[in-house]
Amino acid sequence: GQNIDQPTEMTATEGAIVQINCTYQTSGFNGLFWYQQHAGEAPTFLSYNVLDGLEEKGRFSSFLSRSKGYSYLLLKELQMKDSASYLCAVRDRDNYGQNFVFGPGTRLSVLP
Amino acid sequence: GAVVSQHPSRVICKSGTSVKIECRSLDFQATTMFWYRQFPKQSLMLMATSNEGSKATYEQGVEKDKFLINHASLTLSTLTVTSAHPEDSSFYICSFSHGGYNQPQHFGDGTRLSIL
Repeated sequence: GQNIDQPTEMTATEGAIVQINCTYQTSGFNGLFWYQQHAGEAPTFLSYNVLDGLEEKGRFSSFLSRSKGYSYLLLKELQMKDSASYLCAVRDRDNYGQNFVFGPGTRLSVLP
Repeated sequence: GAVVSQHPSRVICKSGTSVKIECRSLDFQATTMFWYRQFPKQSLMLMATSNEGSKATYEQGVEKDKFLINHASLTLSTLTVTSAHPEDSSFYICSFSHGGYNQPQHFGDGTRLSIL
């Protein structure tokens, strides 16, 4: 079956570094996406991984290990505006590889 | 800029009313679109997937007669919540995918539906 797991909530301090983990078991794998969602708003795309390794984009980095079914999102130099939910999503092979399976999301609170 | 336009952003109406939510892709032709529902402090729950010109595929537990989806063109999809009840109150979000395995979904801004 399809299963994606993330911690429900995390708290970190402004200026710190935080790592949000995601583990997945899906029917096929065509890439893993991270999204940021502020309360009451739609998700916005952060990063994409399809090969093993680290992808860096400014303050945000995302890592993937396909053999372990594991990814993490790393946020550096945390800012108050980074308080949001972070969604891990895997593109599986259903519907000609168009389907996305979303994790439950991790609510990150950044404290001053 | 926004690539998906979703309207209305907020709807408040009486129980029994039917509500139509419109979702347009602005600068690309989308072969596949998704409708999600999200309750407070929960993740996105996929309701249905549709490919242009064909019927939508609904997820288990989602009533196709209650949530009517029309994907009439490559740039427009609509979701109609028929005879809405208070338990249908939720945040509804559409998204489009235009193929390419490295392409993320493009989300609309969402519609906050409140049924009194």
